[in-house]
Amino acid sequence: GEDVEQSLFLSVREGDSSVINCTYTDSSSTYLYWYKQEPGAGLQLLTYIFSNMDMKQDQRLTVLLNKKDKHLSLRIADTQTGDSAIYFCAESKPSGGYQKVTFGTGTKLQVIP
Amino acid sequence: NAGVTQTPKFRVLKTGQSMTLLCAQDMNHEYMYWYRQDPGMGLRLIHYSVGEGTTAKGEVPDGYNVSRLKKQNFLLGLESAAPSQTSVYFCASRGGTSGYNEQFFGPGTRLTVL
Repeated sequence: GEDVEQSLFLSVREGDSSVINCTYTDSSSTYLYWYKQEPGAGLQLLTYIFSNMDMKQDQRLTVLLNKKDKHLSLRIADTQTGDSAIYFCAESKPSGGYQKVTFGTGTKLQVIP
Repeated sequence: NAGVTQTPKFRVLKTGQSMTLLCAQDMNHEYMYWYRQDPGMGLRLIHYSVGEGTTAKGEVPDGYNVSRLKKQNFLLGLESAAPSQTSVYFCASRGGTSGYNEQFFGPGTRLTVL
């Protein structure tokens, strides 16, 4: 079955790096995603990585994928107060002509000024 | 473009009452989804649609019905609301079948069932 797990909470100081971790169980995942949810809003896609990649960098964001250990991480460099939000890891795979997406429980990032 | 919109934003129901949540998207997306978000449980898929006139069950479909009569709208119905359906409901849409295709989310509907 599919299971995506994340720690529930992370607190960092402004200017430090944040690392949010995620583990998943389905080795047939094709894409893995990081979504951001700000208070009172829906989820917004931050970045994604194809399962045959190890790393993807996009400005302050670095995604690392360890497919052997089924571990995904999101590093935010120079974390700002505006980065405070809930971050969801998600995986997708084809399932009966449909891309099945499974979300993690979300990690609440608190940035301390 | 408004993207994905949801109506209403908030609602309080009594047990046994019915209601319909409306989701609309103006991006001509084929795929639409209804999720519920509960503390510590992430998002769980209720129902989804792969095109106008089609619907399918997701992970937690019991107690909900959906309809996709028009491509731009996806309705979620609760026939007889229960306290266990207290949650935040998110609608999402997606353009194509490629894996990386982004799901666009609406702002959510906060539903309380007393």
